[in-house]
Amino acid sequence: QSALTQPASVSGSPGQSITISCTGTSSDVGGYNYVSWYQQHPGKAPKLMIYDVRKRPSGVSNRFSGSKSGNTASLTISGLQAEDEADYYCSSYTSSSDFVVFGGGTKLTVL
Amino acid sequence: QAQLVQSGAEVKKPGASVKVSCKASGYTFTNYYIYWVRQAPGQGLEWMGIINPSGGYTTYAQKLQGRVTMTRDTSMSTVYMDLRSLRFDDTAVYYCARGPETDTSGSAIDYWGQGTLVTVSS
Repeated sequence: QSALTQPASVSGSPGQSITISCTGTSSDVGGYNYVSWYQQHPGKAPKLMIYDVRKRPSGVSNRFSGSKSGNTASLTISGLQAEDEADYYCSSYTSSSDFVVFGGGTKLTVL
Repeated sequence: QAQLVQSGAEVKKPGASVKVSCKASGYTFTNYYIYWVRQAPGQGLEWMGIINPSGGYTTYAQKLQGRVTMTRDTSMSTVYMDLRSLRFDDTAVYYCARGPETDTSGSAIDYWGQGTLVTVSS
């Protein structure tokens, strides 16, 4: 069982917006602004999409945005495109003995 | 442009050990943490540990304590991950990945290696 909880799957039609949640505890998501989101296409390494809750690395589309409220972080993708279909993982710094924890991943399907 | 290049796929028997290398280039090797993350077939990402290439300091996932060792060779800009007493459920793609600068806070990974498939099979 993963330390952070994500929905197993979400779906949306092209042009729509979707939100993926990531729920942790006060020892990780809720306690620090060090939540990251990664996109992974089949057979590929993950790609950083959001870091420090809401910051976008250079080159990442502004259709991707992050936020946090309490122990839950969220990734929103607006204007869905076919290329957004992938697995998405959240991660957070944690004050537990493990330095980083991941969510179980969410499969995004673009209908 | 930072780059991490890992060693090739391995097939090991249960109880054996495996050592995966990760050569960094395109940035100052000692300025950034390196993580190891693994992904079993069809499963999610699992954080294995972190090494500070400057001083060699490490923190390992509690689950892997006693079986994993991470080391570095600064002259080669290379980090190594050694996993012992391999079990069938250690079959996974193993990634090295660049974490934050060592003099900053945060936990994000901005560059990933290509992954190394380790198969544990009798």
